Amino acid sequence: KAGVTQTPRYLIKTRGQQVTLSCSPISGHRSVSWYQQTPGQGLQFLFEYFSETQRNKGNFPGRFSGRQFSNSRSEMNVSTLELGDSALYLCASSPIPGETQYFGPGTRLLVL
Amino acid sequence: QKEVEQNSGPLSVPEGAIASLNCTYSDRGSQSFFWYRQYSGKSPELIMFIYSNGDKEDGRFTAQLNKASQYVSLLIRDSQPSDSATYLCAGGKAAGNKLTFGGGTRVLVKP
Repeated sequence: KAGVTQTPRYLIKTRGQQVTLSCSPISGHRSVSWYQQTPGQGLQFLFEYFSETQRNKGNFPGRFSGRQFSNSRSEMNVSTLELGDSALYLCASSPIPGETQYFGPGTRLLVL
Repeated sequence: QKEVEQNSGPLSVPEGAIASLNCTYSDRGSQSFFWYRQYSGKSPELIMFIYSNGDKEDGRFTAQLNKASQYVSLLIRDSQPSDSATYLCAGGKAAGNKLTFGGGTRVLVKP
């Protein structure tokens, strides 16, 4: 089975721009979660989607948003980028919420 | 106080020895616990999960959970240089995918 895929893998943006990241879960997995990883804050939960519904959201500003499509693929969007948004953004999928999550390779975002 | 705490290390272990990693958590609502391994520049890779008190073994890895004392540990037997990585402990709750991660313990296995 193919693993979780994320695109793009690397991205460079400037402050004030917006960015959209994409995640395709493992085939048959219907739950997708997003995490941000930075050297200072570690791995932090952003949000969780199941059946196209956001079930849980972490403590991030409203500039961070996401959605899930009927095929379980998910996107997250960050608007009005700030330097502090530079991070590795990780997507994880599981068959249903509460089951073991498997991470994708991540998208490394650099904001200049 | 962070919800999940780990010693940042580095934990230096001779090749062939046992590496012992510890993790404590503060949220008694956490019901499932996961150990992920992360190599530098890569994404986390699942090693083990544990839900019940006691030990769970998988190959060279043994996870231990003590809910009364609120700690989780991971033992790596016969440590290999390829085990050199950061090990992340995470706690989760039932019916949800929100994982709370510790800061990770860096392990160095020296030949």
